[in-house]
Amino acid sequence: ELKVEQNPLFLSMQEGKNYTIYCNYSTTSDRLYWYRQDPGKSLESLFVLLSNGAVKQEGRLMASLDTKARLSTLHITAAVHDLSATYFCAVDGFEDSNYQLIWGAGTKLIIKP
Amino acid sequence: NAGVTQTPKFQVLKTGQSMTLQCAQDMNHEYMSWYRQDPGMGLRLIHYSVGAGITDQGEVPNGYNVSRSTTEDFPLRLLSAAPSQTSVYFCASSYDPSYNEQFFGPGTRLTVL
Repeated sequence: ELKVEQNPLFLSMQEGKNYTIYCNYSTTSDRLYWYRQDPGKSLESLFVLLSNGAVKQEGRLMASLDTKARLSTLHITAAVHDLSATYFCAVDGFEDSNYQLIWGAGTKLIIKP
Repeated sequence: NAGVTQTPKFQVLKTGQSMTLQCAQDMNHEYMSWYRQDPGMGLRLIHYSVGAGITDQGEVPNGYNVSRSTTEDFPLRLLSAAPSQTSVYFCASSYDPSYNEQFFGPGTRLTVL
């Protein structure tokens, strides 16, 4: 069974601090996606990581992919309140001979002033 | 481009009623999918389609039907609504499964009484 595990599932942090969200997966995929969801809103694509060692950055967020360790990280630098949201990772994989996108449960991030 | 559109935004049904959630995209994407999102459960795939005339089941297909007569439209039908189908439903599309960055519609919040 393909699994994608995120941790932590909930994170409360102070503005200005750094932190990392982890995404572990069980398949041999080399394609991983990060999404953001604001409360009551839809999902928005943040990063697409397509190969081992891929690193992408936008503002205070940086995502990386290690396909050998089957691990992706989303690093937050000097957090600000506007980054409060739920972050999901998703991995391409095959389940029962069908191609599917397998989702993590999401990490709810609250950044306090 | 409007992207992915969904109607209605909100719907209340009585147990046993049927209805269709509409989804359309104007990006000429081949891959479309329906998810439901429940508190603490992340996203669960209901049905997906890799092109017009082709549909397949996802993780939680029971109680739902889909069809894909055109590239643009991918409606989701609830056959006989049950309280367990109370959820937020998202439609998403991507260019193709080999590059599965998905673009999401705004969602439909469904309550079944």
